[in-house]
Amino acid sequence: GDSVTQMEGPVTLSEEAFLTINCTYTATGYPSLFWYVQYPGEGLQLLLKATKADDKGSNKGFEATYRKETTSFHLEKGSVQVSDSAVYFCALSDQAFNQAGTALIFGKGTTLSVSS
Amino acid sequence: DAMVIQNPRYQVTQFGKPVTLSCSQTLNHNVMYWYQQKSSQAPKLLFHYYDKDFNNEADTPDNFQSRRPNTSFCFLDIRSPGLGDAAMYLCATSRDLNPYSPLHFGNGTRLTVT
Repeated sequence: GDSVTQMEGPVTLSEEAFLTINCTYTATGYPSLFWYVQYPGEGLQLLLKATKADDKGSNKGFEATYRKETTSFHLEKGSVQVSDSAVYFCALSDQAFNQAGTALIFGKGTTLSVSS
Repeated sequence: DAMVIQNPRYQVTQFGKPVTLSCSQTLNHNVMYWYQQKSSQAPKLLFHYYDKDFNNEADTPDNFQSRRPNTSFCFLDIRSPGLGDAAMYLCATSRDLNPYSPLHFGNGTRLTVT
């Protein structure tokens, strides 16, 4: 079945460092790919998405490119801030797999901690 | 400004004592979901409603049920909670069943079973 694998955390960085969080997926059909972020004490929020191969999603300085050939959707940011400290979830939705095409399949999440 | 509201934020129940978690939305979305998230694990879909149509995931235990009396509200009922049901429960909504539609999450309810 469909699945998402993301790198183990925690990831600890200094402010202004470059961030990469790896995410790979297995899907039956042609999934849409998402990154969600969960700040302490809050619910999950959509960070960015890509709906087809070679699409690049971007938001708040974060970027991820949908790579069908490597089944990957790695999250990157050029210069992290303390306020980026959160848990990041890679996810996919696949109409071919789920009765509800929007139902998300999540990775386990990666905790990012940024210090000043 | 909250659009998906879950109550309570923290819930403690006793082993075997029925418990209900609630979710409300102001987005007028057609689809509502319940996810279970155990510590250091990915959120796992339990079931969803598309309007009044209920769809259960194949591996959701019978102990978990849901009600959606109207568009705005959705409830998660755990009939006889076990220690293994302690988790964060996340409610989410989406406008429709289009795979491109993002989900909007509430802040979750953390359930403790004693």
